Amino acid sequence: AQSVTQLDSHVSVSEGTPVLLRCNYSSSYSPSLFWYVQHPNKGLQLLLKYTSAATLVKGINGFEAEFKKSETSFHLTKPSAHMSDAAEYFCVVSDRNNDMRFGAGTRLTVKP
Amino acid sequence: ETGVTQSPTHLIKTRGQQVTLRCSSQSGHNTVSWYQQALGQGPQFIFQYYREEENGRGNFPPRFSGLQFPNYSSELNVNALELDDSALYLCASSSIVPANEQFFGPGTRLTVL
Repeated sequence: AQSVTQLDSHVSVSEGTPVLLRCNYSSSYSPSLFWYVQHPNKGLQLLLKYTSAATLVKGINGFEAEFKKSETSFHLTKPSAHMSDAAEYFCVVSDRNNDMRFGAGTRLTVKP
Repeated sequence: ETGVTQSPTHLIKTRGQQVTLRCSSQSGHNTVSWYQQALGQGPQFIFQYYREEENGRGNFPPRFSGLQFPNYSSELNVNALELDDSALYLCASSSIVPANEQFFGPGTRLTVL
């Protein structure tokens, strides 16, 4: 069975400082991994995805994530936070059956 | 390109009633997945439909059922509603290629009283 653990339920950073949202996964197969963002009253938007190609994945809005098999991690980073980054972020693992398992989410707050 | 749309936006039902939620997939997509997102939690996979057949199911009871139509739109039906069914129901469309990107609709907020 596959699962995802987001290690922080809430992360608070100051505008212009780095963002780190942590995600560990468990999967019986070579997983595909995703990060989605959910702004209030809006649908989920894909930030980036890993599908067994390059281990460092670049996404939209300056976000990137690194797949580390030895650590079973897929942490999301951004060098400099912007006020518009404040939202809920979900790490997702998918196996070969297209069953996507979401983490519980990390709420990112950006202070001015 | 038309995105994923869902209707209705909000819905209020009472315990024991039945509800039908609708989803129109994005142009060119033949697969629809449904998720339940309870307040403060991540979405949970209900089931997926591909070419009008169920193509995977999460840990939800049989009173959660679905349909997919020839135009790839889909319905989620929930019978005998319970209070715990109150949630945001999300629909996502994609192509069947494994782990391809799923495009999500804005969701239907269901409240069960």
